[in-house]
Amino acid sequence: GENVEQHPSTLSVQEGDSAVIKCTYSDSASNYFPWYKQELGKRPQLIIDIRSNVGEKKDQRIAVTLNKTAKHFSLHITETQPEDSAVYFCAARKAYGGSQGNLIFGKGTKLSVKP
Amino acid sequence: DGGITQSPKYLFRKEGQNVTLSCEQNLNHDAMYWYRQDPGQGLRLIYYSQIVNDFQKGDIAEGYSVSREKKESFPLTVTSAQKNPTAFYLCAGGGHWSSYNSPLHFGNGTRLTVT
Repeated sequence: GENVEQHPSTLSVQEGDSAVIKCTYSDSASNYFPWYKQELGKRPQLIIDIRSNVGEKKDQRIAVTLNKTAKHFSLHITETQPEDSAVYFCAARKAYGGSQGNLIFGKGTKLSVKP
Repeated sequence: DGGITQSPKYLFRKEGQNVTLSCEQNLNHDAMYWYRQDPGQGLRLIYYSQIVNDFQKGDIAEGYSVSREKKESFPLTVTSAQKNPTAFYLCAGGGHWSSYNSPLHFGNGTRLTVT
């Protein structure tokens, strides 16, 4: 089955710097890659997603890039702010029915933005 | 407002007691999920349901049970057989490949403490 690995597990940056979180997936059939942000004690919320027919997607200060050949995708946050501090989860999914159509999550990256 | 509603937010139980966590949705999702999250850890899938009256075990189903009698409701019972039930429990809906344009939406979670 699909396996999603996420690195680093923790990341500390200075306010204003950029942050990059990387994920690799094992199943080349995966075609949908969302990113979730979870603030302390709260629920994960979708912040950006990308489908396999697109190489890059941006939304203000966040962007996601996808390299299908290498089977990895990355989250880029520019001009980081203290409110970006949270745990970020990547995920991957195939266009299959049944259990294979479920999202598979990485283990998360705890991002700390220091003022 | 609406979405995925979990109740209660905090739940305390004595060891050996079964406890049921509520999850209701008004987003018309066919697929619903239960995840467990331990401190500093990722999301582990307990059970999922892709249609009414059907559900499947996830990665850590032992000691848990679910039902899906209505599309709107997917309650989780933590039984006395679950060895380490204290955790943060997240219910989610949507997100399956069959829900092509529907991202996974999470509830606000229930923090269960068993002593």
